[in-house]
Amino acid sequence: DVKVTQSSRYLVKRTGEKVFLECVQDMDHENMFWYRQDPGLGLRLIYFSYDVKMKEKGDIPEGYSVSREKKERFSLILESASTNQTSMYLCASRSRGGGINEQFFGPGTRLTVL
Amino acid sequence: GEDVEQSLFLSVREGDSSVINCTYTDSSSTYLYWYKQEPGAGLQLLTYIFSNMDMKQDQRLTVLLNKKDKHLSLRIADTQTGDSAIYFCAESFSGTASKLTFGTGTRLQVTL
Repeated sequence: DVKVTQSSRYLVKRTGEKVFLECVQDMDHENMFWYRQDPGLGLRLIYFSYDVKMKEKGDIPEGYSVSREKKERFSLILESASTNQTSMYLCASRSRGGGINEQFFGPGTRLTVL
Repeated sequence: GEDVEQSLFLSVREGDSSVINCTYTDSSSTYLYWYKQEPGAGLQLLTYIFSNMDMKQDQRLTVLLNKKDKHLSLRIADTQTGDSAIYFCAESFSGTASKLTFGTGTRLQVTL
């Protein structure tokens, strides 16, 4: 069974704090993704990584950075949290290759920035 | 990414059929998908259809694709309370095989 875990289910931070969201997958997947989910907007891709130390910007990278030092771990960093970053954050992973794009998701971290 | 639109909410009675609709704008998509998000969980792939197909059936699920109108639908027969969830359509493209563009999501509520 593919498992994607996220470090916290709920997180409350203050404006200006540095926030780390961690994601770990146990299926040796090359590709990992960070999305944010907002009502009425669906899922929007923040960053993704297709290999260790590799990263690419998604559709909404502003205000975020990422780190992929090990294959199984992909971290999302909010350098200075702001209230408009209050959201549900979802991590996903996928094996390399063509064909169907089945991404495996973690349960999400609901972040509130006060 | 390209816009993928869905209605926000659908309510059906248990035992009825549900039809969830999706419109997309990019005709170069290779596969189209339906993902399901149950309460408090991440998304799971429910089913998919290759872009050169019109229909795919998988037990209670029927996917219809109208490429001319860029319209995708998911029909759930004999809807059960366990089908209550948010359903997302998504598309992937040749050349960017790793990326998915998700729709806005439809919350399906099943009533007794």
